[in-house]
Amino acid sequence: DSGVTQTPKHLITATGQRVTLRCSPRSGDLSVYWYQQSLDQGLQFLIQYYNGEERAKGNILERFSAQQFPDLHSELNLSSLELGDSALYFCASSPRPDNSPLHFGNGTRLTVT
Amino acid sequence: KNEVEQSPQNLTAQEGEFITINCSYSVGISALHWLQQHPGGGIVSLFMLSSGKKKHGRLIATINIQEKHSSLHITASHPRDSAVYICAVRRAQKLVFGQGTRLTINP
Repeated sequence: DSGVTQTPKHLITATGQRVTLRCSPRSGDLSVYWYQQSLDQGLQFLIQYYNGEERAKGNILERFSAQQFPDLHSELNLSSLELGDSALYFCASSPRPDNSPLHFGNGTRLTVT
Repeated sequence: KNEVEQSPQNLTAQEGEFITINCSYSVGISALHWLQQHPGGGIVSLFMLSSGKKKHGRLIATINIQEKHSSLHITASHPRDSAVYICAVRRAQKLVFGQGTRLTINP
């Protein structure tokens, strides 16, 4: 058990809808990362937060947004969903923002129909 | 050409065999991660390396910064090692992932 909790495990929704994915980092970890894993693109970095502040941004679409709250949990909001957004979304956490080991959650599987 | 290339893409071996998975990258990095993803989808971090060699149980990871190359070795492989192994390099604040190596160990 990595100590990182992601909810929900599965999400099925329709095109055009909006969903929120939630991540609780491992106790003591201040940094949270979001990744997307799709069949055609593999794993891609979306965004990183450290202690409530955005630290780095990757291939995150404008329709997607995220934030990290004072209690350090994070939410990834996906809006105007398209079929191509169907993927596994992983959250990971680490104690520090740079070069520290990552602990992954079990992922949220999003299916857009 | 991808920034991170893994080989082989697929590997099937018999239980007990020595396994090597390779990762080459084309940019300067601050660290390299080896990850394991089981069929259920969960990802486990195996190693984080910035130089030299690390060992954990039957797993050994090495990195050669000058040659921009890392290897993951599994000794005395077991069917429970069957998984996708993913190499990821840290460049600036971001992780860039290889496409993964699917390993199948037959009893």
